[in-house]
Amino acid sequence: DVKVTQSSRYLVKRTGEKVFLECVQDMDHENMFWYRQDPGLGLRLIYFSYDVKMKEKGDIPEGYSVSREKKERFSLILESASTNQTSMYLCASNMDSNQPQHFGDGTRLSIL
Amino acid sequence: AQSVAQPEDQVNVAEGNPLTVKCTYSVSGNPYLFWYVQYPNRGLQFLLKYITGDNLVKGSYGFEAEFNKSQTSFHLKKPSALVSDSALYFCAVRVLMNTGFQKLVFGTGTRLLVSP
Repeated sequence: DVKVTQSSRYLVKRTGEKVFLECVQDMDHENMFWYRQDPGLGLRLIYFSYDVKMKEKGDIPEGYSVSREKKERFSLILESASTNQTSMYLCASNMDSNQPQHFGDGTRLSIL
Repeated sequence: AQSVAQPEDQVNVAEGNPLTVKCTYSVSGNPYLFWYVQYPNRGLQFLLKYITGDNLVKGSYGFEAEFNKSQTSFHLKKPSALVSDSALYFCAVRVLMNTGFQKLVFGTGTRLLVSP
């Protein structure tokens, strides 16, 4: 069974801090994704990666960056956290675009 | 814009009754459609997908979905609801980005409440 693991379930940070969210998948998937989930807005794609060291912007990349140094790990970085980045962050992966994405359990991030 | 719409924020149904969660889509070309479910404090779980073929797609936990091209709809159905089906349901469509990559566009979600 595919497992996507996000390192933290809950995280509280302060405005201006640099924040790292980590995601690891164990199925050798090519593609990995970062979304944020907000009530009434559904899921919005922040960034995705289709290969090691490769990345593409999603719909809302501003204020975020990503890193994929190894195939199994995809990190989301908030360069200087702001209160409007308080949200649920979901990581996902799949082998190709015909296959369903497998999701982690999410990180609920609060920026104070 | 390529998108999906879930017109109902919440659907209420009694246990044992049939349920329908609605989804309509707007894409160019043939649609690739997905349904996911999210239980409290969990990530999304895949239920079923439509890529091509039979308009009635069967998925996990007894769910099915009916693809209707003329109505551009992909409604999720179950003949007999369970209290444990109470969750947040997301419809999604695969779209082609300007860069040539493909991504999923999600609806805003529908909360299903099944009463005993």
